Amino acid sequence: AQSVSQHNHHVILSEAASLELGCNYSYGGTVNLFWYVQYPGQHLQLLLKYFSGDPLVKGIKGFEAEFIKSKFSFNLRKPSVQWSDTAEYFCAVNSNTGGFKTIFGAGTRLFVKA
Amino acid sequence: GAVVSQHPSWVICKSGTSVKIECRSLDFQATTMFWYRQFPKQSLMLMATSNEGSKATYEQGVEKDKFLINHASLTLSTLTVTSAHPEDSSFYICSARAGWGDNTEAFFGQGTRLTVV
Repeated sequence: AQSVSQHNHHVILSEAASLELGCNYSYGGTVNLFWYVQYPGQHLQLLLKYFSGDPLVKGIKGFEAEFIKSKFSFNLRKPSVQWSDTAEYFCAVNSNTGGFKTIFGAGTRLFVKA
Repeated sequence: GAVVSQHPSWVICKSGTSVKIECRSLDFQATTMFWYRQFPKQSLMLMATSNEGSKATYEQGVEKDKFLINHASLTLSTLTVTSAHPEDSSFYICSARAGWGDNTEAFFGQGTRLTVV
């Protein structure tokens, strides 16, 4: 079955710390990978996406993610977090074998201490 | 970028009544639309997929008679929560996808918060 797994449910960091959020997927076929952010009380915003090409993807707000096909992973990184990065982060995947239904991971709630 | 708009943004209704939520793709034609629900502090759960002009495909465990989905045109899909009850209170989010290619992105609406009292 198609699934998306996010390893960390809650992460607490101090400002300027580095961030890495794990995401693994279980899918067949050609996959498209996404990271979304949801700030408290707001709707989803797309941080970055991977369709093909360079497996290192740069997104908005200084975030990047690396697609490692052999590990079925798409981890999100940021070298130095800010208090304003406090939010929930969702990894999402769709695939041509799944009718391009976008399936979300459980989410990781990040709290950045000022 | 492409814009998907939901209406209303929030709605309160009495238990037993029905509520309709609209999802529109404003600047593109959506061949496929998806409906999700998100409970507080939880992830988005896919409810159903609808293609224009055909019946929606519901995910396992989602009652098709309770959550009526209509995708009458390439820019509009509606979700009607029939005989709503307090446990249906949730955040409902739609997304719309244009085209059929492998690299076609889905764009998300801002969501509709439904409260059933």
